[in-house]
Amino acid sequence: GENVEQHPSTLSVQEGDSAVIKCTYSDSASNYFPWYKQELGKGPQLIIDIRSNVGEKKDQRIAVTLNKTAKHFSLHITETQPEDSAVYFCAASRGNNNDMRFGAGTRLTVKP
Amino acid sequence: KAGVTQTPRYLIKTRGQQVTLSCSPISGHRSVSWYQQTPGQGLQFLFEYFSETQRNKGNFPGRFSGRQFSNSRSEMNVSTLELGDSALYLCASSLPTSDTQYFGPGTRLTVL
Repeated sequence: GENVEQHPSTLSVQEGDSAVIKCTYSDSASNYFPWYKQELGKGPQLIIDIRSNVGEKKDQRIAVTLNKTAKHFSLHITETQPEDSAVYFCAASRGNNNDMRFGAGTRLTVKP
Repeated sequence: KAGVTQTPRYLIKTRGQQVTLSCSPISGHRSVSWYQQTPGQGLQFLFEYFSETQRNKGNFPGRFSGRQFSNSRSEMNVSTLELGDSALYLCASSLPTSDTQYFGPGTRLTVL
């Protein structure tokens, strides 16, 4: 089955700096790659997603890149703000809500 | 539009008991997926229901079961509870033709 690895497990940046989180996956049939942000006491919130037919997607300060050949995808957050502090999860699935696999999470801390 | 709601939010049970958790999806969403989140194992897929049928299933023992009603509301049941079942149980809903999943706040189950 799918195995998703996520790095780093913790990341601390200064407000205004960029943050990058990387994930690798093993199942070449995976075609859907979402990123979620989870704040304390809340469920994961989708922040951006990408499909295997796209190499990059951007939404304001957040961007995701996908390298299908190398089976890795990354989340980039620019101009970080203290409210970006949370745990971020990457995930991969074959689509149709079929057995989505999550990375272990990255705890991002943005220092004011 | 109201988000995904889960009840109860907190639950304390003892070993050997059974528990039923409820999830109401976003209006119009017919797919409901369930996940278990623990510090050690992270987010793990339990199963997914669509149009009252279990469409996908993760790698959990048969003590974990679920069902979906005609109004798309879903319940999951855990029988013969074990200490290791203590976790945050999350449900997520999505539109019939979309991979995008929206999570509820979760039910925190503690097994004593």
